[in-house]
Amino acid sequence: AQSVTQLDSQVPVFEEAPVELRCNYSSSVSVYLFWYVQYPNQGLQLLLKYLSGSTLVKGINGFEAEFNKSQTSFHLRKPSVHISDTAEYFCAVSGDSNYQLIWGAGTKLIIKP
Amino acid sequence: DSGVTQTPKHLITATGQRVTLRCSPRSGDLSVYWYQQSLDQGLQFLIQYYNGEERAKGNILERFSAQQFPDLHSELNLSSLELGDSALYFCASSPGVSINEQFFGPGTRLTVL
Repeated sequence: AQSVTQLDSQVPVFEEAPVELRCNYSSSVSVYLFWYVQYPNQGLQLLLKYLSGSTLVKGINGFEAEFNKSQTSFHLRKPSVHISDTAEYFCAVSGDSNYQLIWGAGTKLIIKP
Repeated sequence: DSGVTQTPKHLITATGQRVTLRCSPRSGDLSVYWYQQSLDQGLQFLIQYYNGEERAKGNILERFSAQQFPDLHSELNLSSLELGDSALYFCASSPGVSINEQFFGPGTRLTVL
């Protein structure tokens, strides 16, 4: 069965610094990968997704992620964070035979002024 | 605004009681998903309906049930409530059953006293 590991429960970073949130998944023949963001007191919304094609995926709010099949990773990056990026970020994976999303435990991004 | 609506926003009840949470999906979406988010368990997939039929089951307790009506709105019924059922309950919708972005509602916060 698919599983998703978000290696950090919290990532503190200074404003305007770069950030990487890590996501690893268990291997599968093919996968579809997602990053969602949950701002305080809100529901989740899609940041970006990889279904096929280019392994570098660009999303909203300046975020991007790179699909690395050999390392079974889909890390999320942003070159310069803003205080408004304070949120919890969830990685999710779906396999080709089962369209259910398997969710990571989430990573809280804490922006230090 | 994702287009998914959930009512009520907050619900406070006592142990042993039964409650019903309601979700209206985005216009045109046929799939509805229910999730539970708690501090200790994180985001847990409960159940999915597609066009009125149960499509997939996750970590849903036997005390919980759901249904999707002909107008595609869905209800999640929680009975014999326990303190541990206190959580945020999210509904999400997507157009079909294949891999698609899920659009999340704002959630219902359930507090069991």
